[in-house]
Amino acid sequence: KQEVTQIPAALSVPEGENLVLNCSFTDSAIYNLQWFRQDPGKGLTSLLLIQSSQREQTSGRLNASLDKSSGRSTLYIAASQPGDSATYLCAVMDSNYQLIWGAGTKLIIKP
Amino acid sequence: EAGVTQSPTHLIKTRGQQVTLRCSPISGHTSVYWYQQALGLGLQFLLWYDEGEERNRGNFPPRFSGRQFPNYSSELNVNALELEDSALYLCASGDRGATNEKLFFGSGTQLSVL
Repeated sequence: KQEVTQIPAALSVPEGENLVLNCSFTDSAIYNLQWFRQDPGKGLTSLLLIQSSQREQTSGRLNASLDKSSGRSTLYIAASQPGDSATYLCAVMDSNYQLIWGAGTKLIIKP
Repeated sequence: EAGVTQSPTHLIKTRGQQVTLRCSPISGHTSVYWYQQALGLGLQFLLWYDEGEERNRGNFPPRFSGRQFPNYSSELNVNALELEDSALYLCASGDRGATNEKLFFGSGTQLSVL
């Protein structure tokens, strides 16, 4: 059974720092891995999608990597800003086309 | 372009009642996914509809059901509500369940069961 774990559960850093969020999964048989952010009252926003054949994806200050063999993904946020404060979720699409979700990392960027 | 819309935004029900939640996908999207997010827990997959058919179902009892209409909007029905059904219910839309599709989420319906 696929399980997705995100560490840390919460993170607070000063504005301007670079930071890394971690996501691990137990079964390497995935179609893709996605990173989302969740803002209170605003649902989820897709940030990056990495296909199983890809190693990384970049969008602006965000870079996500995927190491399928070790069951790990990282989301790197460069030059963090207060507007980056949100809960970040990772999800893997398993062999049944279901998205299996981590519990999220709550990120607070202090001005 | 309108995003995924869900209604109502908030709902309060009592145990044993029935509830219907609604979702309109992004124009052109044929897939609708329903998720439950209980407080402090990760999203749990409920149902996936595509082209009017139920394509997949999560590990939830039969009192959770739904349907997708010809215009691709969808309803989630929950019968015989229980206290543990209190959660944020999120709907997402995508393009035919492709493995390279991004999902677009609505803001959710917050259901409280008293």
